Amino acid sequence: GAGVSQSPRYKVAKRGQDVALRCDPISGHVSLFWYQQALGQGPEFLTYFQNEAQLDKSGLPSDRFFAERPEGSVSTLKIQRTQQEDSAVYLCASSLGWRGQGGELFFGEGSRLTVL
Amino acid sequence: QKEVEQNSGPLSVPEGAIASLNCTYSDRGSQSFFWYRQYSGKSPELIMFIYSNGDKEDGRFTAQLNKASQYVSLLIRDSQPSDSATYLCAVTGTGGFKTIFGAGTRLFVKA
Repeated sequence: GAGVSQSPRYKVAKRGQDVALRCDPISGHVSLFWYQQALGQGPEFLTYFQNEAQLDKSGLPSDRFFAERPEGSVSTLKIQRTQQEDSAVYLCASSLGWRGQGGELFFGEGSRLTVL
Repeated sequence: QKEVEQNSGPLSVPEGAIASLNCTYSDRGSQSFFWYRQYSGKSPELIMFIYSNGDKEDGRFTAQLNKASQYVSLLIRDSQPSDSATYLCAVTGTGGFKTIFGAGTRLFVKA
């Protein structure tokens, strides 16, 4: 399809396990964002890429969280040693816009992470 | 103070009424302002964007921006039950790329 694709859609992890969440943005979209959405809350900014450059990672909750986009297309959000408070929906969004042009974000369906 | 603040609601209006949703933001250098709609269990989808002070209308939706007051609003005219959802205010701050969301306002439109 032509939209943002995320996988897995659902992930159950035992506390302490490492997880990797994948995002495949819309082709040609320069900007890629990761957000964390807890139940009943708005999306919380985690990190932003422009092509392969990670320009802002100020929202990553701890050094257990790591994101990469090595070729400027697919991105992976990795969470090491998962904790129960990491349980949330992780949303990936892409945008055509370059820096300085705040444009529409196109969201994937999200990856719902449950840490037991 | 949160960067983008919204009344969490719920806001309940009868079918056919006008729903008014409000949002304030803290970064005076913010450049772009968005309203997203999120149905339960789904991802946010864009309804409106506004960049300049004043009103912007699109069908039943009107976005209003007042940069001096750091205030954004969304009016939904002739509300329908299908408008029942959470409405997220989003602001792109100084620098033009980091988009911050409010916690959302839940809207219920009663048939």
